[in-house]
Amino acid sequence: EDKVVQSPLSLVVHEGDTVTLNCSYEVTNFRSLLWYKQEKKAPTFLFMLTSSGIEKKSGRLSSILDKKELFSILNITATQTGDSAVYLCAVEANPYDFNKFYFGSGTKLNVKP
Amino acid sequence: GAVVSQHPSRVICKSGTSVKIECRSLDFQATTMFWYRQFPKKSLMLMATSNEGSKATYEQGVEKDKFLINHASLTLSTLTVTSAHPEDSSFYICSARGSGTGFYEQYFGPGTRLTVT
Repeated sequence: EDKVVQSPLSLVVHEGDTVTLNCSYEVTNFRSLLWYKQEKKAPTFLFMLTSSGIEKKSGRLSSILDKKELFSILNITATQTGDSAVYLCAVEANPYDFNKFYFGSGTKLNVKP
Repeated sequence: GAVVSQHPSRVICKSGTSVKIECRSLDFQATTMFWYRQFPKKSLMLMATSNEGSKATYEQGVEKDKFLINHASLTLSTLTVTSAHPEDSSFYICSARGSGTGFYEQYFGPGTRLTVT
């Protein structure tokens, strides 16, 4: 069964800490892996990864994909309280004749002052 | 950046009535739109994928006769919840994706909170 698993499910850190969020997947005909940040409303897009070993960065956030081991990590350095959110990992795959997304259950990050 | 809007942002309706939710891509042509449902403390659940001009593809367990999806143009998709019941109360989110090289990401709408009384 195709699936996406994120870990940890929740995480509490203090401002300034560095965190690493994990996403592993098993899907048929992988297309891409996406990270989202979800606060009170719909998730906002962070990164899309399609190639192994190429790090994507945006400010304090970075992510990398390992297509051999079927996982991705999202790093956040120098965390701030505004980073508190649920981080979603989604994998786009093409198991049939159309693409579909598989979402993980998310990692809830709480950054304390 | 690409913007996707949903209307209404919040709706309350009585059991047995139908509710239509609109999803619009404001500054790009969305060849594909996705409809999600979000449950409290859970992740998004993909309900259906709609491609402009063709019938929506529903996920297993989603009743297509209850959740009618129309993607009549490249900027508009609608989700109609027919004969709504309290268990349909949820947060419905759409996302849109355009075509063309490099434009590969999904852009999410802000969501619509449906409450069925």
